[in-house]
Amino acid sequence: LAKTTQPISMDSYEGQEVNITCSHNNIATNDYITWYQQFPSQGPRFIIQGYKTKVTNEVASLFIPADRKSSTLSLPRVSLSDTAVYYCLVGDNNNDMRFGAGTRLTVKP
Amino acid sequence: EAGVTQFPSHSVIEKGQTVTLRCDPISGHDNLYWYRRVMGKEIKFLLHFVKESKQDESGMPNNRFLAERTGGTYSTLKVQPAELEDSGVYFCASSQVERTDTQYFGPGTRLTVL
Repeated sequence: LAKTTQPISMDSYEGQEVNITCSHNNIATNDYITWYQQFPSQGPRFIIQGYKTKVTNEVASLFIPADRKSSTLSLPRVSLSDTAVYYCLVGDNNNDMRFGAGTRLTVKP
Repeated sequence: EAGVTQFPSHSVIEKGQTVTLRCDPISGHDNLYWYRRVMGKEIKFLLHFVKESKQDESGMPNNRFLAERTGGTYSTLKVQPAELEDSGVYFCASSQVERTDTQYFGPGTRLTVL
């Protein structure tokens, strides 16, 4: 199973772009990379998923280099409500989805 | 330090049977959570234990699901009788009582109901 490593915490200010990187050196060929956001007392909320290159949706962008050994979640112009824990997951629908320890993002005014 | 463990990793059962999932949290973590990932990518909250007490079980879908955490250590989630729509991946997570925002997730149990 691919092990994921993320920074424990990050601070940012409102309106800034935030980039959170996750390392997954032993990612398997069939594995996808998925990012979740979690607020206290709630379940993880799906943000974005990708396999390679770049994926963008209305919430975030996901950058995956050619070797796929890392990925970067990019949150444009964060607001106070983006303060949460962000988890990187690696796996596919037929194998265990291995959560990382999560990155606690704090957005300050 | 050992992480959150779950057993079994996979379970395939027939509709109407009973299945019990087990979660061992990180030692010393009083908070224990159960989640379920069904079709798609969303992960739904099921319930939250603080030690042996159910703090919040608002996410439990119906009375076919029973969660216990006797002694405040490991927890079990029993599905009886299982239905087809119960298929999915069941995750367990734990956290320290003073750090509820950062949870440590287990690898999940994939349940398939045929």
